[in-house]
Amino acid sequence: EAQVTQNPRYLITVTGKKLTVTCSQNMNHEYMSWYRQDPGLGLRQIYYSMNVEVTDKGDVPEGYKVSRKEKRNFPLILESPSPNQTSLYFCASRQREGSQPQHFGDGTRLSIL
Amino acid sequence: DAKTTQPTSMDCAEGRAANLPCNHSTISGNEYVYWYRQIHSQGPQYIIHGLKNNETNEMASLIITEDRKSSTLILPHATLRDTAVYYCIVRPRNSGNTPLVFGKGTRLSVIA
Repeated sequence: EAQVTQNPRYLITVTGKKLTVTCSQNMNHEYMSWYRQDPGLGLRQIYYSMNVEVTDKGDVPEGYKVSRKEKRNFPLILESPSPNQTSLYFCASRQREGSQPQHFGDGTRLSIL
Repeated sequence: DAKTTQPTSMDCAEGRAANLPCNHSTISGNEYVYWYRQIHSQGPQYIIHGLKNNETNEMASLIITEDRKSSTLILPHATLRDTAVYYCIVRPRNSGNTPLVFGKGTRLSVIA
């Protein structure tokens, strides 16, 4: 089954403790991205990747890092999480061709205390 | 991306067709119409997209008016599991990295 898989689905942690949210897709998609969703603000893009070893900042990249060493994986790294990064996070992927739809993971709910 | 206008909310009886309208009067010739939905706190789910012809897949039908200024998403036999927020998004073919912009959408409630 074609899917985007995120882990963990839920995480409660403390300020400053490094964490990684993994994202993996099995559709051989070139393009992957991370969004966060907050009440009243909708979905905002954090980082994206057009292909392996190619990443770039989205609209709200501060406090986040990403890497794209393999086509299928696109982890989101919070080196020193802070409470304002408490949010619902979604990973998405699509084929390179711009008209193709994005496929989203089920989300990761992070709470930073 | 062209702006879209959707009703804030709609109700639909279970088993009936749900018809969700979207206005996109400023759409340009190379822009597609996409529909996604988000069931509470789950990831947005792609439903269907089209350029100018009507489209149908296993989930829904998309009817685009001849002038392309509006469209309707049709869920032919709505079930309780179709209760979600539905988003109509217009994007150009060569949108590159431009992130998807989800507006407020239409909150569809399917009622037993």
